[in-house]
Amino acid sequence: RKEVEQDPGPFNVPEGATVAFNCTYSNSASQSFFWYRQDCRKEPKLLMSVYSSGNEDGRFTAQLNRASQYISLLIRDSKLSDSATYLCVVRPDMDSNYQLIWGAGTKLIIKP
Amino acid sequence: DVKVTQSSRYLVKRTGEKVFLECVQDMDHENMFWYRQDPGLGLRLIYFSYDVKMKEKGDIPEGYSVSREKKERFSLILESASTNQTSMYLCASSPSRTGNQPQHFGDGTRLSIL
Repeated sequence: RKEVEQDPGPFNVPEGATVAFNCTYSNSASQSFFWYRQDCRKEPKLLMSVYSSGNEDGRFTAQLNRASQYISLLIRDSKLSDSATYLCVVRPDMDSNYQLIWGAGTKLIIKP
Repeated sequence: DVKVTQSSRYLVKRTGEKVFLECVQDMDHENMFWYRQDPGLGLRLIYFSYDVKMKEKGDIPEGYSVSREKKERFSLILESASTNQTSMYLCASSPSRTGNQPQHFGDGTRLSIL
């Protein structure tokens, strides 16, 4: 089992729709969680950190479910510019201050 | 804004060549990382460094070495390039050894080994 697993997609979604995808992680001691966004042929950029209480940034909402070991990303009122690959990232434990475990990404395509 | 600069966006080299990829960050970050990214796989850590002259192996260090002589610069070296090292290489930095700090990436280098 991979340490961090994501559905690769692609998710084809009409503009204006709501889309959600999950990411599961295997290490129950994992401490920190992030969503990054990567545009085609570009570098990953931090979208948002994921807090235990969940967090929201405009149209984006991230949730953490420790019991089931997954994090989720919800995008409301999707825009064409949301088309990208979304990478789930996990810091495994307190001893891994440097290392992050990266999912392979979920590709999202927003269609007009 | 954090700026992480990689020396080349695209690079083509031949099998057996020694290849240098350079990365510079301007935010005085302690940590620097080299990853490679291949289709269908997550970013895989090659090496990282948490201080000048310090280096640690990541998940896939074989065939690579690194150098960190100055805090702002972290170099990745392919000792004898092979075709299976054709990949996208990403350099990243982060501010400290502890805490919930995200990593900031350079634009990436698309390296092709012929």
